[in-house]
Amino acid sequence: ETGVTQTPRHLVMGMTNKKSLKCEQHLGHNAMYWYKQSAKKPLELMFVYNFKEQTENNSVPSRFSPECPNSSHLFLHLHTLQPEDSALYLCASSQEVRAGNQPQHFGDGTRLSIL
Amino acid sequence: QKEVEQDPGPLSVPEGAIVSLNCTYSNSAFQYFMWYRQYSRKGPELLMYTYSSGNKEDGRFTAQVDKSSKYISLFIRDSQPSDSATYLCAITTNTGNQFYFGTGTSLTVIP
Repeated sequence: ETGVTQTPRHLVMGMTNKKSLKCEQHLGHNAMYWYKQSAKKPLELMFVYNFKEQTENNSVPSRFSPECPNSSHLFLHLHTLQPEDSALYLCASSQEVRAGNQPQHFGDGTRLSIL
Repeated sequence: QKEVEQDPGPLSVPEGAIVSLNCTYSNSAFQYFMWYRQYSRKGPELLMYTYSSGNKEDGRFTAQVDKSSKYISLFIRDSQPSDSATYLCAITTNTGNQFYFGTGTSLTVIP
């Protein structure tokens, strides 16, 4: 496999469920990101990891919990979500963090629907 | 004021037309400019990447940056139905790990 792979592609869950989103990158990058994409809005950066250390949390509610066991894998654990959390969740990676000359590469996202 | 502004469209053109997609930005410190293409039910795909002012061409695509006007453009020549997608602009500085994205412009090329 190449690039950035996200699973599952679609997820429907109730507000009381616990689920996890998975991201894996095969690009040898050191930085990984979680974004939320909602209709008619710019991508919202949620979390940034550099060499598996979290470097940024953009005031994301605690019902979203990221985990980065190594530079190739990133998880987003979900718990007690709200209907407004329904969106496309995108994972991205780049060679380095804090380097404008390193564009981010995205996975195809997980389409999350909260019932 | 938003860091980057992009007209959401939708934009609909006939096959073969020249398409112009644009973004404006507010901070003159931005130095790197990107265009992503996002097909329905897919993630954004890096299309073009430019540094500072000037033009960059790749096949039917040309990215243009005018730093004096804080204006970036993506031109698509001889547009094809396969170009139908949402196009996102993105900008960043040399030192920030924040990529500021536009809201995306939805383009439909009609056969």
